[in-house]
Amino acid sequence: GQNIDQPTEMTATEGAIVQINCTYQTSGFNGLFWYQQHAGEAPTFLSYNVLDGLEEKGRFSSFLSRSKGYSYLLLKELQMKDSASYLCAVNRITGGGNKLTFGTGTQLKVEL
Amino acid sequence: NAGVTQTPKFRVLKTGQSMTLLCAQDMNHEYMYWYRQDPGMGLRLIHYSVGEGTTAKGEVPDGYNVSRLKKQNFLLGLESAAPSQTSVYFCASSPSPYRAPNQPQHFGDGTRLSIL
Repeated sequence: GQNIDQPTEMTATEGAIVQINCTYQTSGFNGLFWYQQHAGEAPTFLSYNVLDGLEEKGRFSSFLSRSKGYSYLLLKELQMKDSASYLCAVNRITGGGNKLTFGTGTQLKVEL
Repeated sequence: NAGVTQTPKFRVLKTGQSMTLLCAQDMNHEYMYWYRQDPGMGLRLIHYSVGEGTTAKGEVPDGYNVSRLKKQNFLLGLESAAPSQTSVYFCASSPSPYRAPNQPQHFGDGTRLSIL
């Protein structure tokens, strides 16, 4: 089986930096995705990590440590529009092929 | 550039009724997926397809059937709807993860289904 844990809720201030953590336990690991989902909308892709280290994309960065089963999403210069749910998803190779398993999401609220 | 299109967007059913949710993608993706999203549960995979004419069970397949007669379409059927199937259903598509593991799944806007 597998287990993906991320905090349920976080609150941060506009202009600040926030780090959303994700820990996982899985076999057949084949990469980790972060998605953003605004209320009532579809999830949209933010980042992908398969090797250890930091991937930077503008205000968003994502880090992976495969040995620790740990990833984080770093959001800089927070804006009100960043208020959304952030989903961590682990890709794994199974007997049935590649499958993506999602965490329950972290609801981020950005305040003035 | 439509991407992934789901119909309908909203639907209310009575217990025991049947219906089909439609998903279409115009990105020539091999893989297609159906998920349900419930509060506190995250996205859970119902069924998926690795190509035209193929389907496979996901994490929560009971009570659902699927068909992939054409590469661009993936249908999700509820034969006899139950209140426990009240949820938001998302369809997604992607290139083959074996060929392009770094390519994300692209999601439709969802179908909000209520079973009374």
